[in-house]
Amino acid sequence: NAGVTQTPKFQVLKTGQSMTLQCAQDMNHEYMSWYRQDPGMGLRLIHYSVGAGITDQGEVPNGYNVSRSTTEDFPLRLLSAAPSQTSVYFCASSRGQSSYNEQFFGPGTRLTVL
Amino acid sequence: RKEVEQDPGPFNVPEGATVAFNCTYSNSASQSFFWYRQDCRKEPKLLMSVYSSGNEDGRFTAQLNRASQYISLLIRDSKLSDSATYLCVVPEKTSYDKVIFGPGTSLSVIP
Repeated sequence: NAGVTQTPKFQVLKTGQSMTLQCAQDMNHEYMSWYRQDPGMGLRLIHYSVGAGITDQGEVPNGYNVSRSTTEDFPLRLLSAAPSQTSVYFCASSRGQSSYNEQFFGPGTRLTVL
Repeated sequence: RKEVEQDPGPFNVPEGATVAFNCTYSNSASQSFFWYRQDCRKEPKLLMSVYSSGNEDGRFTAQLNRASQYISLLIRDSKLSDSATYLCVVPEKTSYDKVIFGPGTSLSVIP
């Protein structure tokens, strides 16, 4: 049981490049979410999903897209990277259809945009 | 008031000390809360849930003060391994299925 896995662990992009951060979970959780964490700020919700085929925006969705074609996978796409997207990105999953239950986090992706 | 606020610290305490953190929230309708622990450069992990009756797990006690809208985390007999950032999590005001993470309180336990 691997829990929540994320790839890559580190990434450096140039402004304007696009990329996809991968997230997968093997706990059969319905709820999955993406957060970004910046110094001095709490984790901020980017997008979330309450089940396969259903996604919704969080607090800071601009510049990011998601899809949820399977229960296990929830990739996050950066459309055109900007320096303001330099951050640590965490994927999380929880049982049920809300984040009120215990959230299990992946190890994070550290992204730098030059 | 922001939806959730925490004293960022850092709290520097000697081993064996008792330390307490508070977290204030603005959503008066909130019923359940969480404390997560985040080690340096690691992912957050659930420490404990907090309901109206509070919660206790070994050296850790969490309490809810609904009248003053804050939750507290008390750590007794601090260990070096308790050094981490403690994140308070509260329900989002406008949603029934999302939570808000506080900015965290940093704790360093010193030998």
